[in-house]
Amino acid sequence: EPEVTQTPSHQVTQMGQEVILRCVPISNHLYFYWYRQILGQKVEFLVSFYNNEISEKSEIFDDQFSVERPDGSNFTLKIRSTKLEDSAMYFCASSGEFGSYEQYFGPGTRLTVT
Amino acid sequence: AQSVTQPDIHITVSEGASLELRCNYSYGATPYLFWYVQSPGQGLQLLLKYFSGDTLVQGIKGFEAEFKRSQSSFNLRKPSVHWSDAAEYFCAVYSSASKIIFGSGTRLSIRP
Repeated sequence: EPEVTQTPSHQVTQMGQEVILRCVPISNHLYFYWYRQILGQKVEFLVSFYNNEISEKSEIFDDQFSVERPDGSNFTLKIRSTKLEDSAMYFCASSGEFGSYEQYFGPGTRLTVT
Repeated sequence: AQSVTQPDIHITVSEGASLELRCNYSYGATPYLFWYVQSPGQGLQLLLKYFSGDTLVQGIKGFEAEFKRSQSSFNLRKPSVHWSDAAEYFCAVYSSASKIIFGSGTRLSIRP
């Protein structure tokens, strides 16, 4: 069964450093998403992406964040200058069509900022 | 604005006992509802979903959920829990803006 994959599974970085989280969505999906879960809290929407553009972003997704689909298979989330409060689990998701109610989630990348 | 409330932060049940996890939603139109399970350190696995039709939906691992519009609820049930069901359970609603909104989660512990 096709699945969303994410790398790395765990990333440790120092405050102020840039990090790139990588995702490979399901191959025929066209809509991509990033969510974040701070330890012990709910999963929060960050951004949705379609046709090489951001469709929607939350207030969390400020200028420190960016997303990109650099090739036909990868979808990345970049944090330019990490802060301690960026420590969280980051989930990538994809769906086959806009308005598709079902999103398929990857296993997550745990980001630890020290 | 759409929202999801899970009133129980932590529930403990005995192995073999029945389970019901509560979920209430706030949504203007017909909601599209989900239950996800997250084992420690793991990702989100979809247990079941409700889009339309029969208000009692069956999912994986023996779970079911019932959509009750009059109560704005979508409670998750299982007739007999197993130790492997210990996990965090999230109720969620699809937002009109192409994102999923999650509840705060219910942590399920199983008593041997």
